[in-house]
Amino acid sequence: DVKVTQSSRYLVKRTGEKVFLECVQDMDHENMFWYRQDPGLGLRLIYFSYDVKMKEKGDIPEGYSVSREKKERFSLILESASTNQTSMYLCASKGNEKLFFGSGTQLSVL
Amino acid sequence: AQSVSQHNHHVILSEAASLELGCNYSYGGTVNLFWYVQYPGQHLQLLLKYFSGDPLVKGIKGFEAEFIKSKFSFNLRKPSVQWSDTAEYFCAVTVSGGYNKLIFGAGTRLAVHP
Repeated sequence: DVKVTQSSRYLVKRTGEKVFLECVQDMDHENMFWYRQDPGLGLRLIYFSYDVKMKEKGDIPEGYSVSREKKERFSLILESASTNQTSMYLCASKGNEKLFFGSGTQLSVL
Repeated sequence: AQSVSQHNHHVILSEAASLELGCNYSYGGTVNLFWYVQYPGQHLQLLLKYFSGDPLVKGIKGFEAEFIKSKFSFNLRKPSVQWSDTAEYFCAVTVSGGYNKLIFGAGTRLAVHP
């Protein structure tokens, strides 16, 4: 089975902190994605990557950046966390024409 | 911009009732359509997908969905729900040439009462 692992299940950070969310997949997938999930809004795409060092903005990239230095790892960076970035963050990788999701990181920014 | 609309945000059913969850998308070109499900405390997982061919697709756990191109719809159905179907259901679409970008609807929370 494909495994997508997100490093933290819960995170609490303060406004203005730089936050790193890590995601690792073990199936050599080229495409990886970061979504945020909010009640009533579904999943919204923040950034995706189709190869090492390649990235594309999704629908809501403002306030975020990403890093893909190795194929298996895709990191989401909040440059200066704000309270409106409190959310569930989901990482996914794509293989066999479907997405495999991690278990999510619930980030609270105080 | 492409979008996906799910008509019902919350649905409550009794066991053995029939289920239909609505999904409409706004894009006139070639699309690939998906339903994902998130059971309480679990990862999102694929329920079924449509790429081409027979517009009636069958997925896991007795679910099916019908692609109606003229209505831009991809409704999810199950003839008889079980308590274990309690979950949140997301419709999603990718568009041709869209860099694999999967656009999700807002989700429908289904609660099935025994």
